[in-house]
Amino acid sequence: EPEVTQTPSHQVTQMGQEVILRCVPISNHLYFYWYRQILGQKVEFLVSFYNNEISEKSEIFDDQFSVERPDGSNFTLKIRSTKLEDSAMYFCASGGQASNQPQHFGDGTRLSIL
Amino acid sequence: SQQGEEDPQALSIQEGENATMNCSYKTSINNLQWYRQNSGRGLVHLILIRSNEREKHSGRLRVTLDTSKKSSSLLITASRAADTASYFCATDTDRGSTLGRLYFGRGTQLTVWP
Repeated sequence: EPEVTQTPSHQVTQMGQEVILRCVPISNHLYFYWYRQILGQKVEFLVSFYNNEISEKSEIFDDQFSVERPDGSNFTLKIRSTKLEDSAMYFCASGGQASNQPQHFGDGTRLSIL
Repeated sequence: SQQGEEDPQALSIQEGENATMNCSYKTSINNLQWYRQNSGRGLVHLILIRSNEREKHSGRLRVTLDTSKKSSSLLITASRAADTASYFCATDTDRGSTLGRLYFGRGTQLTVWP
């Protein structure tokens, strides 16, 4: 069964450094998402992406965050200058041909900011 | 805000017993999804139920939706130790164009003892 893959599985970074989290969505999906889960808290929506542009972003997704789909297969989340509070599990998800289809999640990248 | 809230927070049962988890939400929805998360892993999509559906089955899973009460339940029949995981409900909203943004609850931690 097709799956969403995320790399790396764990990223450790110094505060203030830039990080790029990578995702390969399911190949025929059109909708892409990033969520995060701080330890012990709810899964929170960050951003949705459709037709090569951001369709919605949450209040968490400030100017430090950006997303890209550089080559038609990868979907990346960049955090420009990381803060301690960015430490979390980051999940990529992709959905099918419509926004009300099930979203399929990757196994996540655990981001640890020191 | 539109958020699913699961109940109970934790559930501990013996193998072979049924497990029932509930979810409540606040605003009108287009669909509700249930996910499962094993410790340290990603979210696995279990089932999606649309607002015009009342019940849906998938294998040992049965999901109900009561839009008048803004609530849903997930029943796992004949549970197995391998069902041990956290279970989340996630809702969208029918307010405007959210293009698939999901709102998650805190989850129910299910433990099934052999």
